[in-house]
Amino acid sequence: QLQLQESGPGLVKPSETLSLTCTVSGGSISSSTYYWGWIRQPPGKGLEWIGNIYYSGSTYYSPSLKSRVTISVDTSKNQFSLKLNSVTAADTAVYYCARQVGPFDYWGQGTLVTVSS
Amino acid sequence: QTVVTQEPSFSVSPGGTVTLTCGLSSGSVSTSYHPSWYQQTPGQAPRTLIYSTKTRSSGVPDRFSGSILGNKAALTITGAQADDESDYYCVLYMGSGIWVFGGGTKLTVL
Repeated sequence: QLQLQESGPGLVKPSETLSLTCTVSGGSISSSTYYWGWIRQPPGKGLEWIGNIYYSGSTYYSPSLKSRVTISVDTSKNQFSLKLNSVTAADTAVYYCARQVGPFDYWGQGTLVTVSS
Repeated sequence: QTVVTQEPSFSVSPGGTVTLTCGLSSGSVSTSYHPSWYQQTPGQAPRTLIYSTKTRSSGVPDRFSGSILGNKAALTITGAQADDESDYYCVLYMGSGIWVFGGGTKLTVL
C-alpha cells in the first residue's frame, strides 16, 4: 500500500522559506506513470493546488505561487520536496503531498505550517 | 484568471438525492477538463471519489456518480446517508500542466 508522509518545521517566521519533504513508501517515485504534487489548505478554507513534479524533474506550478515555489525530487531517497519563499501569514495552512495521475489518488495526512514571528 | 465555482453549501435529507456542480467563471466544463471530485471530513485528508468525469475510485459506493450536466461537471449522491455530510471539492485541468480546485461545497444531511 502506497503511503506518503509530510515532514518539516511546523513554525516558520515571516519572510523566511517554508521547506517540506514528502517521503513515499510502498512504491517508487520513479514510476513513469505519476506526478507528485503539493496541495495546501488554510485553516477553515478550501484546497489549493501548489504544483507537481515528475521523477525526471519536470515541474508545473500554480501561476499564483510560481514566483515563490520550488518543487524538487530525490529519487535515491524516494522523496520530493517543497520550498516556498518569502512567506507571510497568508501561507499558514495544512500542506498535503499527493500522488497525481491526473487526479490525486493517494494523499499524505497533511502537516500544519504556521507562519508567525 | 479563470475561477472554478462550486455551491458554498447544500443540504439534503437522508435518503434523498443531491447534485453538486463544478463550473467555470468563464466558459463551459467538458470532459477535456478531466473533472475529479474529493470528499473531506474535518481533520482528515481528502478522499478521491470520482475522476475523469465519471470513473469511481476504488471502494467508492455506486451511489456516488459523476457527469457533465449542461456546462458544468456534476457529482450526484443518490440515497444520501448521514456520513455523507462532508466538504466536497472538484478540481479541473486547465491545460499546460495546471490544475485548479473549486472552493468546495459543504454538504449537510438533515
